[in-house]
Amino acid sequence: GQQVMQIPQYQHVQEGEDFTTYCNSSTTLSNIQWYKQRPGGHPVFLIQLVKSGEVKKQKRLTFQFGEAKKNSSLHITATQTTDVGTYFCAGPGSNDYKLSFGAGTTVTVRA
Amino acid sequence: GAVVSQHPSRVICKSGTSVKIECRSLDFQATTMFWYRQFPKQSLMLMATSNEGSKATYEQGVEKDKFLINHASLTLSTLTVTSAHPEDSSFYICSARRGRGYGYTFGSGTRLTVV
Repeated sequence: GQQVMQIPQYQHVQEGEDFTTYCNSSTTLSNIQWYKQRPGGHPVFLIQLVKSGEVKKQKRLTFQFGEAKKNSSLHITATQTTDVGTYFCAGPGSNDYKLSFGAGTTVTVRA
Repeated sequence: GAVVSQHPSRVICKSGTSVKIECRSLDFQATTMFWYRQFPKQSLMLMATSNEGSKATYEQGVEKDKFLINHASLTLSTLTVTSAHPEDSSFYICSARRGRGYGYTFGSGTRLTVV
């Protein structure tokens, strides 16, 4: 079945620096979604990418969907302590609604 | 935005007892809801898909007799962990979406501890 792989698993970042988390699928995706889960909280939807090569920005967050629609990335610039949490990418299965989640990238920030 | 309410947020139960977790979509109707399980520092593992008015579909390896799902209305799905054991202790989360093209909204989760 479809698998979504995500790296790195952990990202320890100096406040103010940038970082990127990457997501790869074994199959072509109709769309890819990104979620953020704060420590002790639940996942919160960030964005959905649908088109090949699509790039979307949310303030300091830049999301990209690969040309082949098999990979995606999330780039955060000027990391802040509010960025702490685990970022998950997720892709739908063949029936287009059941999500398969990546392992997540857990971000910690040192001031 | 879409709101999904889940409760209880925490529950401690004795081994052998059953626990019911509720998931409600507050401002939209959800014919389909999803139940996930999350172990500490791990990703979300889909347990089952809850379908309004019909049987739930379970992922491979998930015991349907142990994790009973009922989706009796368009706004409510319940997950009952029957004859709970310590290994069932986990974080259970539900999710639903308003429609295609929308992201999924998650409930706040239920932390189950079986003692």
